[in-house]
Amino acid sequence: DQQVKQNSPSLSVQEGRISILNCDYTNSMFDYFLWYKKYPAEGPTFLISISSIKDKNEDGRFTVFLNKSAKHLSLHIVPSQPGDSAVYFCAASESEPGTYKYIFGTGTRLKVLA
Amino acid sequence: NAGVTQTPKFQVLKTGQSMTLQCAQDMNHNSMYWYRQDPGMGLRLIYYSASEGTTDKGEVPNGYNVSRLNKREFSLRLESAAPSQTSVYFCASSLDSPSYNSPLHFGNGTRLTVT
Repeated sequence: DQQVKQNSPSLSVQEGRISILNCDYTNSMFDYFLWYKKYPAEGPTFLISISSIKDKNEDGRFTVFLNKSAKHLSLHIVPSQPGDSAVYFCAASESEPGTYKYIFGTGTRLKVLA
Repeated sequence: NAGVTQTPKFQVLKTGQSMTLQCAQDMNHNSMYWYRQDPGMGLRLIYYSASEGTTDKGEVPNGYNVSRLNKREFSLRLESAAPSQTSVYFCASSLDSPSYNSPLHFGNGTRLTVT
């Protein structure tokens, strides 16, 4: 049973427009969420995180939104650039001391068209 | 700063052979992890080490063993490789547990094929 789901395997967006990547989770104990970006033949790179005490976190062109009641988070990229073309993974964890298990979604492949 | 370094980058094994994947981090992180990535499955946790001297099973530990050699190094061993272990293996580290808002930092992976 997948606890973290990314239901869109792929997404294409025009350069300069907004990219919205979605992630749903089922475990109500999750309270720390992260987004990673992965280029081919490289490891995932940390992008941005949010804890459940917030509903929004911004870092430059990247904003993560958290809707706890819907168990849903999204990553907005504005404006999208060709270099943003990659696979994006969301991940979740309980921030309980002694918990070390980050659970990942299956990823969404973003293609930004020039 | 090298971050997380994994060796080798590629490996081909025959069924039944053994090998050790090496991982080292230079960020003075306390916690280290081994994940595998398979098509359509995302990243799945094999084993982790919360701190030097401790190791624990993740979601998919069968067929693997680990050693936390010191604070910097965490190795993954396949004693008798099987085709089902064909995958890309990622090592990661974090300063501490998620309770400290501590993201994972990944190496570039080892692509393993078992024939």
